[in-house]
Amino acid sequence: DAGVIQSPRHEVTEMGQEVTLRCKLISGHNSLFWYRQTMMRGLELLIYFNNNVPIDDSGMPEDRFSAKMPNASFSTLKIQPSEPRDSAVYFCASSLQTGEQYFGPGTRLTVT
Amino acid sequence: AQSVTQPDIHITVSEGASLELRCNYSYGATPYLFWYVQSPGQGLQLLLKYFSGDTLVQGIKGFEAEFKRSQSSFNLRKPSVHWSDAAEYFCAVGGLRGSQGNLIFGKGTKLSVKP
Repeated sequence: DAGVIQSPRHEVTEMGQEVTLRCKLISGHNSLFWYRQTMMRGLELLIYFNNNVPIDDSGMPEDRFSAKMPNASFSTLKIQPSEPRDSAVYFCASSLQTGEQYFGPGTRLTVT
Repeated sequence: AQSVTQPDIHITVSEGASLELRCNYSYGATPYLFWYVQSPGQGLQLLLKYFSGDTLVQGIKGFEAEFKRSQSSFNLRKPSVHWSDAAEYFCAVGGLRGSQGNLIFGKGTKLSVKP
């Protein structure tokens, strides 16, 4: 099993640019979680999906952030326009509704 | 309100010494409890989980944790720490199996290991 796959691993972009982060779930999993981790705020849940349906997006910082699941195994998190305060490590995790989540390696985003 | 508290932000132990990382939770229903470890530059890895049954659970890398309902605690232990255990450790609590699957994470405890 390849585990949760995230791309890119590192992203450096300029303020105002659009950023798209990608995540592939573990085969057979049906829940998907996007997290953001910073030194100041720790690990924050941004949004999660169950069976492709967004269940809770209350953690999404603002309208500049959007997430989709175009199919059962893939998700994107988009930031448009990006700002320096969006710099963080973004993780996705998947689960089979058993509670335990399996995390990807993360995408380190730097917005200059 | 549901919450997880890890009272120790940073702990330093000597290699070979025993370790206990504390975790307290507040949860309205029967909790499901987890410990994750994060090495620098990596994602979170599941160490162990408690759903029901024996309150002492064994995990990977020689870790164990004990669920104490009366104390609302789920402390992580290891009898002899190795230098490779230096990492950040997160405790998490979730709801009923088959629920939406959301977890609440503590803020983490960073473990340093002295040679």
